[in-house]
Amino acid sequence: AQSVAQPEDQVNVAEGNPLTVKCTYSVSGNPYLFWYVQYPNRGLQFLLKYITGDNLVKGSYGFEAEFNKSQTSFHLKKPSALVSDSALYFCAVRDPYNFNKFYFGSGTKLNVKP
Amino acid sequence: GAVVSQHPSRVICKSGTSVKIECRSLDFQATTMFWYRQFPKKSLMLMATSNEGSKATYEQGVEKDKFLINHASLTLSTLTVTSAHPEDSSFYICSARDSQRAANTGELFFGEGSRLTVL
Repeated sequence: AQSVAQPEDQVNVAEGNPLTVKCTYSVSGNPYLFWYVQYPNRGLQFLLKYITGDNLVKGSYGFEAEFNKSQTSFHLKKPSALVSDSALYFCAVRDPYNFNKFYFGSGTKLNVKP
Repeated sequence: GAVVSQHPSRVICKSGTSVKIECRSLDFQATTMFWYRQFPKKSLMLMATSNEGSKATYEQGVEKDKFLINHASLTLSTLTVTSAHPEDSSFYICSARDSQRAANTGELFFGEGSRLTVL
């Protein structure tokens, strides 16, 4: 079975500091990994994805994520957080045997304080 | 970028009535769309996969007769909550995959969600 875990319900960081939102995955087969962000009462916005290739993936709004196969992790990072980054972040993995199925993590609320 | 439009964004209805939510892909074709339900402070729960021109595929535990899905064109899927009850109150989100892109690498594009409140 495919699954994604986001161990932190909430992450607090000061504006200007680097941020990390953690994600670990369990996939039988090649992992296709995604990060999405959700603002209150809005849908999800795509940030970035890892399919293959370079382990460091760059995405929207200055976010990046590092794929680590040995640790089965795909942590989301940003060098300098903005207050406007405060939102709910979801990690997701696509089922390698059913491309229509995505498994989402439980979400991590990022709070960036001025 | 690809845009998915979802309407209405908010709807309040009386118990026992039916509510229809529309999901449109504005600048791409989507033979497959997906309907999710999100509870407060919870992750997304896939309800069903909507297939253009054929019947939807429902996840286990989702009532087909309660949540009617129609995908009549390459750009439109609708979710109808029939005989709505207060426990159906939730945030419903649709998503779509661009049919022109490879199935295994394309990301999902999400609508803005619809907040349903059943009184």
